[in-house]
Amino acid sequence: NAGVTQTPKFQVLKTGQSMTLQCAQDMNHNSMYWYRQDPGMGLRLIYYSASEGTTDKGEVPNGYNVSRLNKREFSLRLESAAPSQTSVYFCASSGRTTSTDTQYFGPGTRLTVL
Amino acid sequence: GENVEQHPSTLSVQEGDSAVIKCTYSDSASNYFPWYKQELGKRPQLIIDIRSNVGEKKDQRIAVTLNKTAKHFSLHITETQPEDSAVYFCAASSYNQGGKLIFGQGTELSVKP
Repeated sequence: NAGVTQTPKFQVLKTGQSMTLQCAQDMNHNSMYWYRQDPGMGLRLIYYSASEGTTDKGEVPNGYNVSRLNKREFSLRLESAAPSQTSVYFCASSGRTTSTDTQYFGPGTRLTVL
Repeated sequence: GENVEQHPSTLSVQEGDSAVIKCTYSDSASNYFPWYKQELGKRPQLIIDIRSNVGEKKDQRIAVTLNKTAKHFSLHITETQPEDSAVYFCAASSYNQGGKLIFGQGTELSVKP
């Protein structure tokens, strides 16, 4: 039981390049989330998916797109990376649909945009 | 929408002392308040949570209190140990926001031996 996994662990992009961050969970959770973490700003929600087939914007969605590929997988795409998107990205999942429940985090992806 | 403020941003204590971290929230509909611990270079991990129908919850050296009237909640760590050194985040969520967690800015706790 791996929990929440993320790939890649590290990535360096040039401004304007695109990439997709992958996230998968094996806990049969309904809800999945993408956060970014910047120094002194805590964790900010980018997008979330309350259930398979649905996605919604969080606090900071601009410049990102997401896909809930199936119940296990939730990907985050940067279409045209900008230096302001340099951050650590965490994926998380929780057990119930649009409900308050423990969120389990993946190990994170450290992204640098030059 | 919900806004969560966390204080202090840094906290240094001597081993064995107590540490208290405070958070305030703005949405009166919030009903779930978890606390996460994040060690350097690691993922955030839940250490304790409290729901709005409870005023206090304890788990060994860790306790959380909730004052819904004042819209604030606090994390209390007693008999601190060097391994308690980490960044701690509070968060809040409510059903009317789809269960999204809104996090505070974090508190870097340093426990000096």
